Amino acid sequence: SAVISQKPSRDICQRGTSLTIQCQVDSQVTMMFWYRQQPGQSLTLIATANQGSEATYESGFVIDKFPISRPNLTFSTLTVSNMSPEDSSIYLCSVVPYTEAFFGQGTRLTVV
Amino acid sequence: QKEVEQDPGPLSVPEGAIVSLNCTYSNSAFQYFMWYRQYSRKGPELLMYTYSSGNKEDGRFTAQVDKSSKYISLFIRDSQPSDSATYLCAMSGGNFNKFYFGSGTKLNVKP
Repeated sequence: SAVISQKPSRDICQRGTSLTIQCQVDSQVTMMFWYRQQPGQSLTLIATANQGSEATYESGFVIDKFPISRPNLTFSTLTVSNMSPEDSSIYLCSVVPYTEAFFGQGTRLTVV
Repeated sequence: QKEVEQDPGPLSVPEGAIVSLNCTYSNSAFQYFMWYRQYSRKGPELLMYTYSSGNKEDGRFTAQVDKSSKYISLFIRDSQPSDSATYLCAMSGGNFNKFYFGSGTKLNVKP
């Protein structure tokens, strides 16, 4: 298994600002994943972060809006840039040490 | 068509009832199947993991996979109010860079 510490757990932000979410894992993992979960909806993969290379973004998500850092094998950040109310959501980081996905506790973001 | 379909509920049952949660999927390549429990304001917590077809039991929880029907189930026996949460199914074809999630079923167990 893996224990993931994600912070902040929640935040209320003004539109036009940026928020950086941090994710720390208790073991080294090759890839870290960032998801968005909107109310009543499935988890949507934003991007995959591999240490030492640029993140890979899913269709509909771009680096300018969601820049990701992966400085080492236990840590990653996701920034939500130039926020609008449509960015209000839960953001989750995830790792897959073997065959199962484990998640952080999520960041509940509200943009006003 | 979505890769994974899951009834969003909500599902409301009395304490002690047997709960059945289900997902259907369209991709026959899926081999790894998971159920997650998500409490309000928390991240998903892995509950059950099954590889290929068959049943797996863990305490009050039983996971079933029927690959011929592309149908998976989670049964909760003797349900408790503490089981009230959203349950998400997830699956993968072996490429562990990509998981497919259901939208979640919200369960309420009434005391």
